[in-house]
Amino acid sequence: EDQVTQSPEALRLQEGESSSLNCSYTVSGLRGLFWYRQDPGKGPEFLFTLYSAGEEKEKERLKATLTKKESFLHITAPKPEDSATYLCAVQAGGAQKLVFGQGTRLTINP
Amino acid sequence: DGGITQSPKYLFRKEGQNVTLSCEQNLNHDAMYWYRQDPGQGLRLIYYSQIVNDFQKGDIAEGYSVSREKKESFPLTVTSAQKNPTAFYLCASRGAGTNEQFFGPGTRLTVL
Repeated sequence: EDQVTQSPEALRLQEGESSSLNCSYTVSGLRGLFWYRQDPGKGPEFLFTLYSAGEEKEKERLKATLTKKESFLHITAPKPEDSATYLCAVQAGGAQKLVFGQGTRLTINP
Repeated sequence: DGGITQSPKYLFRKEGQNVTLSCEQNLNHDAMYWYRQDPGQGLRLIYYSQIVNDFQKGDIAEGYSVSREKKESFPLTVTSAQKNPTAFYLCASRGAGTNEQFFGPGTRLTVL
């Protein structure tokens, strides 16, 4: 069964304090790994898609990386507006659905 | 503006009532999806549709029904058979030949 585990469940950082969020997965034939950002009471906002081990994508203060077993979302010098829940999801080859992790709730204190 | 709209934003239902959640997209996407989100859990797939007049059950379809009469619309009915319907419901869509799903703003359903 395809599974996604995100850690930590919650993370508090000071503004400017860099860190990483982890997404570990088991999937039969990875078709894609997706990162989303979700603000309270809103729908997830698409951030990145990663397809193969070694791939990296960047957007502003965020960088996503992928290995054969996990993905990291690195956040560099975060600002309070980066506070949100970050969701990781995988799509297995031939499947329509995304399998989501439970998310990491990130809080950046000014 | 292209995007996905869901209505209403908040919905209250009495036990034993059926309610229908609306999802509309003007992105010309072929595939549409319904997910349910509960606190502390990942999103779970209820139903999905890849083309008009066709849809498939997801992991938690019991107590729900859908229709896909138009490409732009994919309404979800939460029936009285759904034992624990209080949740945040999210609609998503995906364009042909792409893998990314884009989400609407969600509907929060509360059963009184």
